Amino acid sequence: GEDVEQSLFLSVREGDSSVINCTYTDSSSTYLYWYKQEPGAGLQLLTYIFSNMDMKQDQRLTVLLNKKDKHLSLRIADTQTGDSAIYFCAERANDYKLSFGAGTTVTVRA
Amino acid sequence: GAGVSQSPSNKVTEKGKDVELRCDPISGHTALYWYRQRLGQGLEFLIYFQGNSAPDKSGLPSDRFSAERTGESVSTLTIQRTQQEDSAVYLCASSSPWGGEQYFGPGTRLTVT
Repeated sequence: GEDVEQSLFLSVREGDSSVINCTYTDSSSTYLYWYKQEPGAGLQLLTYIFSNMDMKQDQRLTVLLNKKDKHLSLRIADTQTGDSAIYFCAERANDYKLSFGAGTTVTVRA
Repeated sequence: GAGVSQSPSNKVTEKGKDVELRCDPISGHTALYWYRQRLGQGLEFLIYFQGNSAPDKSGLPSDRFSAERTGESVSTLTIQRTQQEDSAVYLCASSSPWGGEQYFGPGTRLTVT
């Protein structure tokens, strides 16, 4: 969606950290999400963060939120080949609709 | 437990024909959403159902598109007189009433020839 922007591609070496960035425009966003989509599959909810938080960690995943700059990032530690996928950032404002970015294709190379 | 299921997984149809796509939400989820994903793009909101409230149809791209849901169960998305630009993956999601976590089905890939 035009309100959520992400870089389109990221290439990372196996074992390194991946950082996927996202910017959004709606200052009333209440939740921000990261979804993972593997080839031919539906979207898998990875994690989400409330807008009143600035960080959330879940195993290898760390989400950072800079509400002032409307910037969200997802860090994947110790990236594995199974992490190769398209990652979508999404925001939810005061209603229930999710606005999605176009997705970042992450390629993990050996 | 069972997740969101959708059928068919793939549908090829001729331009001008009608198609019906089905979504079975997670049991107990009162909210149901339909999204469309065009090749290489993010998801585009189509329609939202919440319990017995009137649905939000604001995302439907034209009057050829319609959707129904009976209570808190199955939903069907109908596209009449399909056009080639309707080719996409149609994704359904469901959530609890507060909607914090939307869980997606595997999608229906629609190809209009």
